[in-house]
Formats: sequence, C-alpha cells, structure tokens
Amino acid sequence: EPEVTQTPSHQVTQMGQEVILRCVPISNHLYFYWYRQILGQKVEFLVSFYNNEISEKSEIFDDQFSVERPDGSNFTLKIRSTKLEDSAMYFCASSELAGYGYTFGSGTRLTVV
Amino acid sequence: TQLLEQSPQFLSIQEGENLTVYCNSSSVFSSLQWYRQEPGEGPVLLVTVVTGGEVKKLKRLTFQFGDARKDSSLHITAAQPGDTGLYLCAGNSRTYKYIFGTGTRLKVLA
Repeated sequence: EPEVTQTPSHQVTQMGQEVILRCVPISNHLYFYWYRQILGQKVEFLVSFYNNEISEKSEIFDDQFSVERPDGSNFTLKIRSTKLEDSAMYFCASSELAGYGYTFGSGTRLTVV
Repeated sequence: TQLLEQSPQFLSIQEGENLTVYCNSSSVFSSLQWYRQEPGEGPVLLVTVVTGGEVKKLKRLTFQFGDARKDSSLHITAAQPGDTGLYLCAGNSRTYKYIFGTGTRLKVLA
C-alpha cells in the first residue's frame, strides 16, 4: 500500500538552529500538508500546499516556518530558528483530493534543547 | 474557533464488550474523518463521512455522521485487544485543513 515517508524519524537540535523536515508524499497525490502534535495535546494543522504554493496556513505557521517542494517528490518543512516550544511530532500528509482521504506519515519527533 | 470535543477521554473495557465514542461540535462540518493513532505513529485514516445521517461500516466498526453534520459517533462491536489505541475525529469545513478532536484513548483488555 502506498505510504508517506518522513525523515528523519527523530531529530534533536539546539535552540536557535535551523531544521529541515523531509517528506515524500504518495506519488499521485496533489495536496500536501504539515501537522504537528505536541506531546499529550491535539494534532494541529500547520499548512497546506497545492500547485507549488501555500493554499492555507494556521496562525502557528509564522515567519519562522516555510515549506517547499524542491523537486517532484520531496516536500519539506523548514523551521528557521527553533524554539523550545517547537518540540513536537511533525506529521506530513498528502491527499489526492483537497481535504479528503489523507494519508499521514509516521512523523518526525523534533526535540529542541 | 471550531472545536471538536470527544468523549469519553479514556475508556478501558474487556475483550468482547461493545463501546461507543462520541465527537461533538457546535460547528457544521462538510466532512468528518475518524483516525486511529498508535504511540509514536501517525494517525491512520479509518473512514470519511460527508453526508448528514450517513452510516458507514468497517467490519466491527460503525461510524455515523449526525443529521446536522455537527457530531459523529464510532461504535465498536465485540472489541478486541487489537482495537486498543487513540481514536481521533477530525472535521473539515470546505477548506484544506482538518480540525482534530481531543481524542479517546481506548484500552481493550484480554
């Protein structure tokens, strides 16, 4: 069964450092998303991406965050200057149709120290 | 702000019992999804419901979308230890994003 692949599975970074989280969505999917889940809290929407541009973003997705689809297969989330409160599981998802039938990856656990 | 409240928060039952978990909101959703999440893993989509009053069955799981599209329920018949996990509902209102509920953590004891 097709799956969304995320790398790395774990990342530890110093506060203030830049991190890039990588995702390979399902090949025929057109819509891509990033969500995060702080330990013990709800899954929260960050951003959706379609046709090489951001289609929607939440208030969490401030200037520290950016997304990119650098080639035909990868979808990345960059956090420019990490803060302690950025520690969370970050999930990438993709879908064939807008907002319908998501497939989530297994997540990247980001720890900012 | 759209909110989805799930109840109960925690549920521990014996194998073979039936259970229902609820997902409620004051907002109307155009579609609603149910997921199961295992520790350290991403949510896995179980079902999407889009029509008010819709009922979908997935083996021992029955999902219902409320007539007014503000609430949903998940009923599990004859629960098994393999059903253990965090059940999440998530609603969409004609945008790209889903709002996730607070989750119901289910434990089925053998």
